[in-house]
Amino acid sequence: GQQLNQSPQSMFIQEGEDVSMNCTSSSIFNTWLWYKQDPGEGPVLLIALYKAGELTSNGRLTAQFGITRKDSFLNISASIPSDVGIYFCAGVIIQGAQKLVFGQGTRLTINP
Amino acid sequence: DSGVTQTPKHLITATGQRVTLRCSPRSGDLSVYWYQQSLDQGLQFLIQYYNGEERAKGNILERFSAQQFPDLHSELNLSSLELGDSALYFCASSVAANTEAFFGQGTRLTVV
Repeated sequence: GQQLNQSPQSMFIQEGEDVSMNCTSSSIFNTWLWYKQDPGEGPVLLIALYKAGELTSNGRLTAQFGITRKDSFLNISASIPSDVGIYFCAGVIIQGAQKLVFGQGTRLTINP
Repeated sequence: DSGVTQTPKHLITATGQRVTLRCSPRSGDLSVYWYQQSLDQGLQFLIQYYNGEERAKGNILERFSAQQFPDLHSELNLSSLELGDSALYFCASSVAANTEAFFGQGTRLTVV
């Protein structure tokens, strides 16, 4: 239904590696958002996507709005220790009463 | 600083008690959302208001209620508190209903 499936749930990588995570749903979205949450802090908006096929970068981060409007991915290149945290995707569903729904998050751990 | 202000930052209270969490949205934002985040869990959507009116409801318990006032600040009331209500409670705001949302720093509620 309106659930967002975010994967992977967790990642353990070496510093310098690239990271990829994605969100999928059976629903159609008109907006995709990617957030990062540090421990004990509020999520911070990283990237917002508004059009199908849109590819947007923010420094080492790149996100894309899937052509089908049902998915999005986030890539982080050349990871550094401060990339550690929980990454959430969020989307605005296009039909009915529009709701902002969140994925369950991807916990990123980096080994120096 | 996202511009969203939540008070208090920390709250410790006993079971059975009632508390009120307050949120001041970013200047100009009409929509306010409330989320609950239990330890190492995702963001559970509770309720959304837009320009003073309830817009969408998530898995909000009957013991919980919220409102958005004419000056657009919002309050989340939690009553008959149980140990399981201990969590981080986040408020977020956006300009319109369901566009990119910005989060406050959260209120950490501990029920003892």
